[in-house]
Amino acid sequence: GENVEQHPSTLSVQEGDSAVIKCTYSDSASNYFPWYKQELGKRPQLIIDIRSNVGEKKDQRIAVTLNKTAKHFSLHITETQPEDSAVYFCAAPLSPSGYNKLIFGAGTRLAVHP
Amino acid sequence: GAVVSQHPSRVICKSGTSVKIECRSLDFQATTMFWYRQFPKKSLMLMATSNEGSKATYEQGVEKDKFLINHASLTLSTLTVTSAHPEDSSFYICSARGTGGYTFGSGTRLTVV
Repeated sequence: GENVEQHPSTLSVQEGDSAVIKCTYSDSASNYFPWYKQELGKRPQLIIDIRSNVGEKKDQRIAVTLNKTAKHFSLHITETQPEDSAVYFCAAPLSPSGYNKLIFGAGTRLAVHP
Repeated sequence: GAVVSQHPSRVICKSGTSVKIECRSLDFQATTMFWYRQFPKKSLMLMATSNEGSKATYEQGVEKDKFLINHASLTLSTLTVTSAHPEDSSFYICSARGTGGYTFGSGTRLTVV
């Protein structure tokens, strides 16, 4: 069925270390892969996204890689800072009816310790 | 950029009453909007896809008679939680798909007492 799986569920790192979060998706037709950061009680905030015609995209300390063959994509955060602590969600659009509904992974709670 | 306005931001209602949540796309037209529910420390779960001028498409397990969706115009979708019960207490959030991707409303925290 339609599924987006995300690992790990929690991640604890020391400030300055790197953090990697991985997601797999089931719909081979998916062509857009966003990553969101959500703070408590707030809307998801888009931090980076990638489309299926590229394999990697970078924005300062954040990067996303995509492997369409294996149907997985990853979020990489380098030089982590305490303010990076939040819940991160991957998502992928599924389009059984052409509506491209966005399905979210289960989330990763990232804690960056000073 | 694309903006989606959602109201109210929080609401407290009594069991058995109905609550309406509005989602508006302010600077773009959205033929399709999406409604999500998020329980504490959980992910966003898609409830339904709201289609302008036609019936909403509900995800498996979501009661269409309990969560009424109306998408009467290209900029407005509403979600009405009917006969609310304490277990309906949750964070409800809408989203609209524009040319640049998906834009989210600020969410509505519903508490049913």
